[in-house]
Amino acid sequence: QVQLVESGGGVVQPGRSLRLSCAASGFIFSTYTMHWVRQAPGKGLEWVAVISYDGSSKYNADSAKGRFTISRDNSKNTLYLQIHSLRAEDTAVYYCARETYSSRAFDYWGQGALVTVSS
Amino acid sequence: DIQMTQSPSSLSASVGDRVTITCRASQGISNYLAWYQQKPGKVPELLIYGASTLQTGVPSRFSGSGSGTDFTLTISSLQPEDVATYYCQKYNSAPWTFGQGTKVEI
Repeated sequence: QVQLVESGGGVVQPGRSLRLSCAASGFIFSTYTMHWVRQAPGKGLEWVAVISYDGSSKYNADSAKGRFTISRDNSKNTLYLQIHSLRAEDTAVYYCARETYSSRAFDYWGQGALVTVSS
Repeated sequence: DIQMTQSPSSLSASVGDRVTITCRASQGISNYLAWYQQKPGKVPELLIYGASTLQTGVPSRFSGSGSGTDFTLTISSLQPEDVATYYCQKYNSAPWTFGQGTKVEI
């Protein structure tokens, strides 16, 4: 079965960097476009970034431009999100999600990784 | 960028009621609209894509309609397990913007 498992979250000081990982299994990872979505505590869903199946195309939300880098390693079936210069407003649960073939909606989501930016 | 606006922000209804949630796009997005359900403390789940196509396994009491700028999610007979926040999302092009969510309570 399809599984997406995020890791790398935790408590981080403002200004530091963090790399989130999303390990994929149960499907051919290298053929799917993947996304990151975040959700601040008690708030709604915010789309963060997308990467094409082969990593050749990437796009960030305006709120994620400059400090967020999405990448993937298809040999390891893993998606990444590097966040630099962390701010308090980056505190959120970060989800990885798979984009469907038949549409461009997200049919599978990971369980999420909580990132707390605090001194 | 296209903005997605849901209404209402929250609603309370009784078991068996018909519930309708509206999502409006600031520009036309054809039928590139998805609905997600997020139960308290859980991961979002895809309910509907293409504005009206039910994802596999989603109960038939859920339905979606609309095209262009105006969309609706309808629960024909609200059940206790439908307590959740519902989000619309556009996916015709980047960015994949979500609506602000509609919290449904019993």
